[in-house]
Amino acid sequence: DIQMTQSPSSQSASVGDRVTISCRASQGIIRFLNWYQQRPGKAPKLLIYGASSLKSGVPLRFSGSGSGTDFTLTINSLQPEDVATYYCQQGLSPPWTFGQGTKVEI
Amino acid sequence: EVQLVESGGALVQPGGSLRLSCAVSGFIFSDYYMDWVRQAPEKGLEWVGRSKNNANRYGTDYAASVKGRFTISRDESNNILFLEMNSLKIEDTGLYYCTRGDMMNNWFDPWGQGTLVTVSS
Repeated sequence: DIQMTQSPSSQSASVGDRVTISCRASQGIIRFLNWYQQRPGKAPKLLIYGASSLKSGVPLRFSGSGSGTDFTLTINSLQPEDVATYYCQQGLSPPWTFGQGTKVEI
Repeated sequence: EVQLVESGGALVQPGGSLRLSCAVSGFIFSDYYMDWVRQAPEKGLEWVGRSKNNANRYGTDYAASVKGRFTISRDESNNILFLEMNSLKIEDTGLYYCTRGDMMNNWFDPWGQGTLVTVSS
């Protein structure tokens, strides 16, 4: 199975800050990497697919980059509604595996 | 509007069985892959299994942790996805989400609100 490791596990930032979350795959996954946002008490929502493609309707302050084994989710100008746990997920080969999550707080 | 609504979660004893349902609307059910993803209390996300689409003869895949105990099926007439769970273990406790899977790049979107399964004596 492909293991996904996120860092940091949690991060506290201020409104307007830039937040960066890293995700590392245990083997190369090309660009089959997706990011999800899970607000407290809610279901996950897809933010970014294919490492860097923003899902329609997602604010432009979210962006993704990377390929191979190392990926990054960036939130430019953090907003109060961005308080959530963020998960990466590999889509190269089953079982589809997720990172352990990064909790973003203000 | 695409909607996924899960139901069927309950408190069940270890070794027991339960069937979860996911009613879908807003898209052609038979054209899409459908997945179950679970989340243990205060934990991360774990993929449980997949039902492929009609073109792929509704083939199924499962995580190793549930293979042989869980079965995914569909009622195409009523647009319902099922997750039949047998020989339940305490570690199966969690919120079970139904989600639509992308068949090429394997992302999950959208997700239902989840249904809670508690396995406890």
